Amino acid sequence: DTAVSQTPKYLVTQMGNDKSIKCEQNLGHDTMYWYKQDSKKFLKIMFSYNNKELIINETVPNRFSPKSPDKAHLNLHINSLELGDSAVYFCASSHQGANTGELFFGEGSRLTVL
Amino acid sequence: AQSVTQLGSHVSVSEGALVLLRCNYSSSVPPYLFWYVQYPNQGLQLLLKYTTGATLVKGINGFEAEFKKSETSFHLTKPSAHMSDAAEYFCAVRTAAGNKLTFGGGTRVLVKP
Repeated sequence: DTAVSQTPKYLVTQMGNDKSIKCEQNLGHDTMYWYKQDSKKFLKIMFSYNNKELIINETVPNRFSPKSPDKAHLNLHINSLELGDSAVYFCASSHQGANTGELFFGEGSRLTVL
Repeated sequence: AQSVTQLGSHVSVSEGALVLLRCNYSSSVPPYLFWYVQYPNQGLQLLLKYTTGATLVKGINGFEAEFKKSETSFHLTKPSAHMSDAAEYFCAVRTAAGNKLTFGGGTRVLVKP
């Protein structure tokens, strides 16, 4: 059983297009995240939701719009894709009430913008 | 604000040799500290974590790390490297009350036969 699953795993698209990445977790966690990993492997948080409520919104272009229909799902929609959006996007989840804050990660979605 | 610095973006070790990955953090309150490993084309897996209590923590695959408050460090070690340890390693910090896990820049480990 996959704990945090993302689809699609690979995405190749043209500049200017709109695309979405979906994430689901079956761990019963109440908090979900999107992280972006650039070509130098640097990981930066983008968004976090707790029980469908946005709690972290880093400095991200408003072309990026997360949506959490329920606490087990967090999707990421990107409008008007740019070359610089090429990266690996990781979804993660955690239980906010736990005192460790350990994050569980999906396998990533590699986005290539041509 | 919290931050993490990993010294050395690449480390090369011989099989059987000691692995030492350095991590220093900055946090205004007591931190929770983590080491994650990322194998090629995969997500991140937790190696070990420090929250409270014993400052020497043991993780999976023979790794361990020691929290040294006076040095604001959380270095990761493994006595004897194995070929399967070749991966990217990330140190991360968060506060007890915080929601955000902040990562260091990562260290790529290459293991030579």
